[in-house]
Amino acid sequence: AQSVTQPDIHITVSEGASLELRCNYSYGATPYLFWYVQSPGQGLQLLLKYFSGDTLVQGIKGFEAEFKRSQSSFNLRKPSVHWSDAAEYFCAVGASDSWGKLQFGAGTQVVVTP
Amino acid sequence: GAVVSQHPSWVICKSGTSVKIECRSLDFQATTMFWYRQFPKQSLMLMATSNEGSKATYEQGVEKDKFLINHASLTLSTLTVTSAHPEDSSFYICSARLAGGQDTQYFGPGTRLTVL
Repeated sequence: AQSVTQPDIHITVSEGASLELRCNYSYGATPYLFWYVQSPGQGLQLLLKYFSGDTLVQGIKGFEAEFKRSQSSFNLRKPSVHWSDAAEYFCAVGASDSWGKLQFGAGTQVVVTP
Repeated sequence: GAVVSQHPSWVICKSGTSVKIECRSLDFQATTMFWYRQFPKQSLMLMATSNEGSKATYEQGVEKDKFLINHASLTLSTLTVTSAHPEDSSFYICSARLAGGQDTQYFGPGTRLTVL
């Protein structure tokens, strides 16, 4: 069975600074990997996804993530955060043989300070 | 595109009553919809997978007789919490998977259920 670990429960970052959120997964084959963002009162929004191909994935809102098979990681990065990036971020892993079922990590709360 | 709505956005009910939550894909057809439960400051836990025209598949530990799921059309799935109790209070989120095999789920805004 697949599993996802987000080691950081909470991260505080200054506006304009870079951000990196960690995600490690466990899965027997090549997984489908996703990053979602959840803002208060809003649904989860897909930031980016990796299915295959180029291991550096570009997403919306200036986010990118890199799939590293050797490290079983799919870390999310943004070079310069904006106050509007304050939210909860979830990494998720899916399996191609499970009708798209997703396993979510525990989430990382990002706080942006002035 | 790929918008998913949920109704209601929040509901308060008395213990013992049943509550129905609707999940609609507004601009695409979804052969598969998923229902999740999210406790405060926790992650999403998959409750069940709903395929149009067939019975839902429930995750281990989820009571199928308590959480009734119906997926009658390619754009609508409903979750009915039967005989709700305070421990059923939670944030319920649905997602819809694009028909045609794209393994991307689009999420609804969620429904906050409070059982008194």
